[in-house]
Amino acid sequence: KQEVTQIPAALSVPEGENLVLNCSFTDSAIYNLQWFRQDPGKGLTSLLLIQSSQREQTSGRLNASLDKSSGRSTLYIAASQPGDSATYLCAVLNNAGNMLTFGGGTRLMVKP
Amino acid sequence: SQTIHQWPATLVQPVGSPLSLECTVEGTSNPNLYWYRQAAGRGLQLLFYSVGIGQISSEVPQNLSASRPQDRQFILSSKKLLLSDSGFYLCAWSVGTDILATNEKLFFGSGTQLSVL
Repeated sequence: KQEVTQIPAALSVPEGENLVLNCSFTDSAIYNLQWFRQDPGKGLTSLLLIQSSQREQTSGRLNASLDKSSGRSTLYIAASQPGDSATYLCAVLNNAGNMLTFGGGTRLMVKP
Repeated sequence: SQTIHQWPATLVQPVGSPLSLECTVEGTSNPNLYWYRQAAGRGLQLLFYSVGIGQISSEVPQNLSASRPQDRQFILSSKKLLLSDSGFYLCAWSVGTDILATNEKLFFGSGTQLSVL
């Protein structure tokens, strides 16, 4: 059974810092990995999707990497802003069953 | 453009009462539809998914049920709520001929915060 873990569970940084969020998964047989953002009491917004054959994806200040063999992904946020404050979730799409398995999320607070 | 509507945004229900949460998608045809639950401080758990009208697959056995009476409508129901049903319920959709093709993203509604007292 696929298990997805995100560390740290919560993170507080001053504005302007570059930061890295971590995601690990136990079964490397995945189709893709997605990073989502969730604002308090809101739905999820897809940020980046990395195919299993890809190593990274970039969108603006966000860069997500994938090391499938080691079961790890990182989300790099450059020059963080208070508006980046949210919970970030990663999810993997398994080869078997085609279901997404989500991590518990990292709650990010960027202080002005 | 495609949009997804989910309501109500918040709901407080007594134990043993029925439940009906509705989700509709606009701007697309034959979407794959999903119901997820997010318990406090935990990741999302897939409850049900549907690839077409009347086709429902359950991932977790529980006292909840789902129905898809129309192509773009997905309903989550319960006859008698339990305390453990409290949580944040999210509807989502994706487009594709199969559940989540390798390059498909999942789009979420705004969620329903359910408190069972």
